Amino acid sequence: TAGITQAPTSQILAAGRSMTLRCTQDMRHNAMYWYRQDLGLGLRLIHYSNTAGTTGKGEVPDGYSVSRANTDDFPLTLASAVPSQTSVYFCASSDSSGGANTQYFGPGTRLTVL
Amino acid sequence: GQNIDQPTEMTATEGAIVQINCTYQTSGFNGLFWYQQHAGEAPTFLSYNVLDGLEEKGRFSSFLSRSKGYSYLLLKELQMKDSASYLCAVRDRDYKLSFGAGTTVTVRA
Repeated sequence: TAGITQAPTSQILAAGRSMTLRCTQDMRHNAMYWYRQDLGLGLRLIHYSNTAGTTGKGEVPDGYSVSRANTDDFPLTLASAVPSQTSVYFCASSDSSGGANTQYFGPGTRLTVL
Repeated sequence: GQNIDQPTEMTATEGAIVQINCTYQTSGFNGLFWYQQHAGEAPTFLSYNVLDGLEEKGRFSSFLSRSKGYSYLLLKELQMKDSASYLCAVRDRDYKLSFGAGTTVTVRA
């Protein structure tokens, strides 16, 4: 199975431009998450969705928006990119928001904003 | 919120044992996870603790003390492929994970 896929793998973006990072999972997990990973700071939660049709803000949501129109897809949009959004972005999913169910991560998108 | 601390780097010899400590302060504890992340790759799940005690899974074990806000990951019989970053993550009552900055383990021959 594919698990979680992310696109693009990497991208260089001019400041002020918009971009959507794509995330698709084929495991029918109800919960999905977006993180950014920066050197020395670890993974930080941007937005999450516990089920299709609902979203919530994480630790660092400013400058980002998400939507969850269906179970499989959870796109992350940067409306007007800034250099501080240069990071590696990971999408993750879990089949329940509780219990021992773990989060499984996609391969990541490396974004550079110039 | 969460405050999660773990050492930045550790080095050990092939075949040896390494213990990675993680301390946390949380407003609502609902489980602790350890992930492994090789350079340039995604984190992968290693272990989960929600009750006090030791969870063993092959060469890897994880321990939790909720009263002390403390966990450790024990890697035994180290292999070169174990060179990676190890991430401690705490789940809160809203089921969101907060991650430590990660511990980079280097295994030397």
